[in-house]
Amino acid sequence: EVQLVESGGGLVQPGGSLRLSCAASGFTFANHGMNWVRQAPGKGLEWVSYISPYGTTSYADSVKGRFTISRDSAKNSLYLQMNSLRDEDTAVYYCARAALGLSFFDFWGQGVLVTVSS
Amino acid sequence: DIQMTQSPSTLSASVGDTVTITCRASQSINNWLAWYQVKPGRAPNLLIHKASTVESGVPSRFSGSGSETEFTLTISSLQPDDFATYYCQQYDTYWTFGQGTKVEMK
Repeated sequence: EVQLVESGGGLVQPGGSLRLSCAASGFTFANHGMNWVRQAPGKGLEWVSYISPYGTTSYADSVKGRFTISRDSAKNSLYLQMNSLRDEDTAVYYCARAALGLSFFDFWGQGVLVTVSS
Repeated sequence: DIQMTQSPSTLSASVGDTVTITCRASQSINNWLAWYQVKPGRAPNLLIHKASTVESGVPSRFSGSGSETEFTLTISSLQPDDFATYYCQQYDTYWTFGQGTKVEMK
């Protein structure tokens, strides 16, 4: 059974940093592209970042230069390092798997809440 | 950037109704369109990809159609478990979601 479990969320002050993790199981992690998607309170889904099986990365303009996505295939884990956090980064962050050879998101985690507030 | 415009933002319906949600892309996305169901506190669920391919395990009352820039999600005979928020997503060029459609009980 495919499972994606996010962790590392919490309350952080503006300008602070946080590192999210996503533990993957039930599939060959190294073969899949992976994503982070977020949902701010009362808002819709927003794609944040993507990493290919080979380590190529992409970012939404809203986080470029502040967030860094990475992966460790030996640990079946995905990460999102978030620096220079802003109030508008407050959201539930989801880890999502890209379907093999395609790029829609076929499995998602339940999400982790990040609150940026003083 | 490709923009996705979804309508309506809220839809009030009753069990047994047929509901239709529309998604419009700002340019052709070659049918690279997915639909997701989102419920509070739950992992989002992929319903449809490539505009009309229904995922395994998704009830047959869900269907998708459309091409180029205009797409629809139809739920036939709405069931109690279907009250949720639905999002379209283009994956032709990076990824963009529509604003979401909340299907609520009338």
